Amino acid sequence: DIVMTQSPDSLAVSLGERATINCKSSLTLFYSSNNKNYLAWFQQKPGQPPKVLINWASMRESGVPDRFSGSGSGTDFTLTISSLQAEDVAVYYCQQYYNAPLTFGGGTKVEI
Amino acid sequence: EVQLVESGGGLVKPGGSLTLSCAASGFPFTNAWMNWVRQTPGKGLEWVGRIKTNADGGTSDYAAPVRGRFAISRDDSKNTLYLQMNSLKTEDTGVYHCTTVHLIRGVVWGRGTLITVSS
Repeated sequence: DIVMTQSPDSLAVSLGERATINCKSSLTLFYSSNNKNYLAWFQQKPGQPPKVLINWASMRESGVPDRFSGSGSGTDFTLTISSLQAEDVAVYYCQQYYNAPLTFGGGTKVEI
Repeated sequence: EVQLVESGGGLVKPGGSLTLSCAASGFPFTNAWMNWVRQTPGKGLEWVGRIKTNADGGTSDYAAPVRGRFAISRDDSKNTLYLQMNSLKTEDTGVYHCTTVHLIRGVVWGRGTLITVSS
């Protein structure tokens, strides 16, 4: 199984400041035949289902504010919130979909 | 719009059975490998299993905790995925989501359906 290691476990950031979350996979998530990294980032607020923010490591989902960005390739990935807003308080997860079983990072709790 | 909508959740006693459904729309379901993922209080996010397309053999794979108790099936004529759950345990309590990887969009999740296993 691909192990996803996410850091930090929690993060306190001032409003308007940058938040950076890291995710490392135990195997490459890059598929050379289509030049894509099979990694997603999603946000989860209490009592709500996961909301996918980023697919293919760096492609923002429709409607996601551009303060959210994803970067990285291979085994190392980063989610950046460029200017934290109050509504961004949530738990963020990375997920690999390179192969089964789908696996997840342990989550990062972002607080103000 | 690519959409997955789960249904069938509820309260069930330990040892009981339940079948979940996932209605798919907005993409060619016949060509999609489909997964079930759950989020439980004890283990957080956990892959449950997946089913390949019928063209790829239609076979299913399962996570160890559910193997032999759960069964995934699909009805391509109805664009629907199923999860038959038997011999339910309290630790199966959680929200169950169907997911797939769309070739353009990437991973797509349904909102999930809640299963509570309790006496």
